[in-house]
Amino acid sequence: TQLLEQSPQFLSIQEGENLTVYCNSSSVFSSLQWYRQEPGEGPVLLVTVVTGGEVKKLKRLTFQFGDARKDSSLHITAAQPGDTGLYLCAAHIYNQGGKLIFGQGTELSVKP
Amino acid sequence: DSGVTQTPKHLITATGQRVTLRCSPRSGDLSVYWYQQSLDQGLQFLIQYYNGEERAKGNILERFSAQQFPDLHSELNLSSLELGDSALYFCASSGAGEGNEQFFGPGTRLTVL
Repeated sequence: TQLLEQSPQFLSIQEGENLTVYCNSSSVFSSLQWYRQEPGEGPVLLVTVVTGGEVKKLKRLTFQFGDARKDSSLHITAAQPGDTGLYLCAAHIYNQGGKLIFGQGTELSVKP
Repeated sequence: DSGVTQTPKHLITATGQRVTLRCSPRSGDLSVYWYQQSLDQGLQFLIQYYNGEERAKGNILERFSAQQFPDLHSELNLSSLELGDSALYFCASSGAGEGNEQFFGPGTRLTVL
C-alpha cells in the first residue's frame, strides 16, 4: 500500500492549459515537499510547505497544503513545454525521522 | 546545481560483483540520505547518516551498506549484485532548514548485466 497517493499518474496537455496534481495520505505530514525531475537527473526541490492551509506561489505554480496536513496540491497555470517533467510530492511523516516518503509521481507532458 | 555531488555517473557491472557509490553533501550539511529509484518502485529511502552516525534505515537490503566519513562524504556499498539492483541511486543532503529540506545529487545509474 502506497503511503502517499499521487494523481494523476500521467498528464498530457496543450500549451496554455491549466492543470492540478494531487498528493494525498491517511497520515499527517510534518512537512511536504514538491520536486521536479527530468530524465536521468536528480529531483530538484520546488517548494516546502509546513503549515496547514499554507499556500505558496512560485511564478505560475501554486502549492497548497491541506488544513489537516494530510494532502497537498500543485496547480500550474498556462502550462508551457518547459514544464514537462516528473513531478513528485514527498513528505516527512511524524515520528519517522528525516526520511522522505515519495509519491509515485506525475509524468507531465506539455505539447506546443 | 544542488551542491551535492555523486560519482560515478554511470556504472555497468555483472551479477555477483560489488560496487561503491560516492556522495559529497552540500557544504555545511551534516545529514546524508540514500535513495533508490526504479521504474516499478519509484523513489525509495534506503538509509540516513547524520554526522557520521546511522540515523534511520529504510528498505535497505542486507547486501547493501553505507557509511559517512569524518569529512561528511558518504559511500554506499552494494555487494552480490543481482539484476534487480539495476536502478538510479540518489544521494541527498540536508541542513537545519525549514521542514528538513533535502537536496538531491545527480545520481548514479547502476546497470547490472
